[in-house]
This record gives sequence, structure tokens and C-alpha cells, in this order.
Amino acid sequence: EADIYQTPRYLVIGTGKKITLECSQTMGHDKMYWYQQDPGMELHLIHYSYGVNSTEKGDLSSESTVSRIRTEHFPLTLESARPSHTSQYLCASSHPDSPTGELFFGEGSRLTVL
Amino acid sequence: QKEVEQDPGPLSVPEGAIVSLNCTYSNSAFQYFMWYRQYSRKGPELLMYTYSSGNKEDGRFTAQVDKSSKYISLFIRDSQPSDSATYLCASGGSYIPTFGRGTSLIVHP
Repeated sequence: EADIYQTPRYLVIGTGKKITLECSQTMGHDKMYWYQQDPGMELHLIHYSYGVNSTEKGDLSSESTVSRIRTEHFPLTLESARPSHTSQYLCASSHPDSPTGELFFGEGSRLTVL
Repeated sequence: QKEVEQDPGPLSVPEGAIVSLNCTYSNSAFQYFMWYRQYSRKGPELLMYTYSSGNKEDGRFTAQVDKSSKYISLFIRDSQPSDSATYLCASGGSYIPTFGRGTSLIVHP
């Protein structure tokens, strides 16, 4: 069983609120990712990190930001939430030396913005 | 063109049926091909992977890659209600993983 945790699992907030989705892993993985998942759609990469103080934007334009101050922690922040941000957010990590690039996912944070 | 394409289904089959799930990809450089399984309200988990062309078998599951046609398949034999989930194909290896849309599979008793 993967040791990667996301909180909160479910969140309902009003427009304009600032929110942070937490992601922590205990596997010591350098690579971490945030994906956005909508029903029937691809997982879209929104941010990734290859280690401490390294963050990059993914191929899906996003108004969110991330930080990587510690290896185990990769939070995602929305400064001002909008209804268009309603989605499921999945955090994942992988070992840098894995030849397959296998991802270990958290259970997701389902965000609803009213 | 999306790098990995997958029909989202849903696919509904009776228990015991053979299931075939398929994807196509466009990037010839991909070497690893992954299948993730995602149960409702859970994150995806790796089911199995293949390297380059050929078959790989794991119990009731067989993954197949045809690099000449850029076609990826997952076969499930003797399907069970517990196999009901969304199956996502993805590229692997050193590239940032690219996912298909996932196919929703329902196996009814």
C-alpha cells in the first residue's frame, strides 16, 4: 500500500476563498505531481516537482501554485477559488530511479466551489 | 493530437466475460506502457506494465503492446464484479506520464 496522503478528502467552499490542498508522502520520493481529474476526462498534469525547491507547471493551465520546501510535502494552493476549479485533485509521487516511472497516488481531494 | 487516446466507455459485461480494453499512442519514443486501475473515490493504482512490444501476463490479466500500430491492450479473463473500476492506460519510463481518459468497466453478476 502506497504511503501518500491527501487532505482534505472533500471540501466545499465559496467563491473567492483561499484553499490549500495538502499532500504528503513517506516514501522519500523526489518526484511529485499534481493531476486534475474530471469525470470521463484525462488526468491533466498541473504541477510537478523533481525535488526540494524545484517546481514546474504542467501542460494544463492552472491558477494554482505549489511549493516544495520539504521532500515529503507538496501542497497546492488556490488564492481565490472559482466554480471552474471544481474538480478532483490527485497527488502522486515516483522514485527517481524507477525505470517504469510508476506513480503512487493519494486518494484525491474533491473540491467543490459554489 | 493527444499522446494517449482511450475510449471512455462505459463498458458493461456479464460476470465471466473476456474484457478487452484498448488505447492508442502517438509518441514513438515511449518504451513503457502502464495500466492503472481506479476504484470509485480512490486514487489510481498500478495494475501492470509492459516494456516495448509483446505480452505480459499476470493471473487473469494480460497486457499487450503492438509498437508497429501504436496500440495498447489489456485483456481480463473470467471477469468478476470486483473488476468493476476505471482502467487508465498511460505512458511510463523517464517521461512525465501521460494518461488516457480511462475506460469505465462494469461487470454485473
